[in-house]
Amino acid sequence: GQQVMQIPQYQHVQEGEDFTTYCNSSTTLSNIQWYKQRPGGHPVFLIQLVKSGEVKKQKRLTFQFGEAKKNSSLHITATQTTDVGTYFCAGPSEMTGNTGKLIFGQGTTLQVKP
Amino acid sequence: GAGVSQSPSNKVTEKGKDVELRCDPISGHTALYWYRQSLGQGLEFLIYFQGNSAPDKSGLPSDRFSAERTGGSVSTLTIQRTQQEDSAVYLCASSFGGAGSGANVLTFGAGSRLTVL
Repeated sequence: GQQVMQIPQYQHVQEGEDFTTYCNSSTTLSNIQWYKQRPGGHPVFLIQLVKSGEVKKQKRLTFQFGEAKKNSSLHITATQTTDVGTYFCAGPSEMTGNTGKLIFGQGTTLQVKP
Repeated sequence: GAGVSQSPSNKVTEKGKDVELRCDPISGHTALYWYRQSLGQGLEFLIYFQGNSAPDKSGLPSDRFSAERTGGSVSTLTIQRTQQEDSAVYLCASSFGGAGSGANVLTFGAGSRLTVL
């Protein structure tokens, strides 16, 4: 079945350093979504990418969707302690489209040392 | 409602007892998911409801787990004869559903924390 893999599983950075997490799917995705879960909280939607090669920015966060629509990345510039949490990517198989079940990656947990 | 509501927020039970967890999705959302999250772990998919289609139960870990969704709205996850390994946070999420852009973006509830003694 469809699998979505994320690396790294954990990342510790010094405040001010950059951070990147990568998401790879075994199948082509109709779209890719990113969620953030703060410690003790629940996942909250960050962004959705739909087009091949799409790049979107939210302040210090840059999201990319690969040309083949099978991979994605989230890059945070100059991390802050407020960036701490677990970042999940998720997407439905292109075969099922937007009506298909979302498959989540295992998440990347970011720790930021002040 | 304005968000996804889950109850109870915390449940402590004894091994062998049955528990019911409730999820009230956002009004009008046709898709509903249940996930399980153990401490420090990722999201374990349990079950997916989409409109009137047969639910995708492929993630239910055993026949002690069942879920239903009545009237296309409220969902109940039932765990029979609870075991200690069932201890986790159970998260419910819903989405608008359909084929349009953004239709499968999930809104999560705050979760129900289950502790089996």
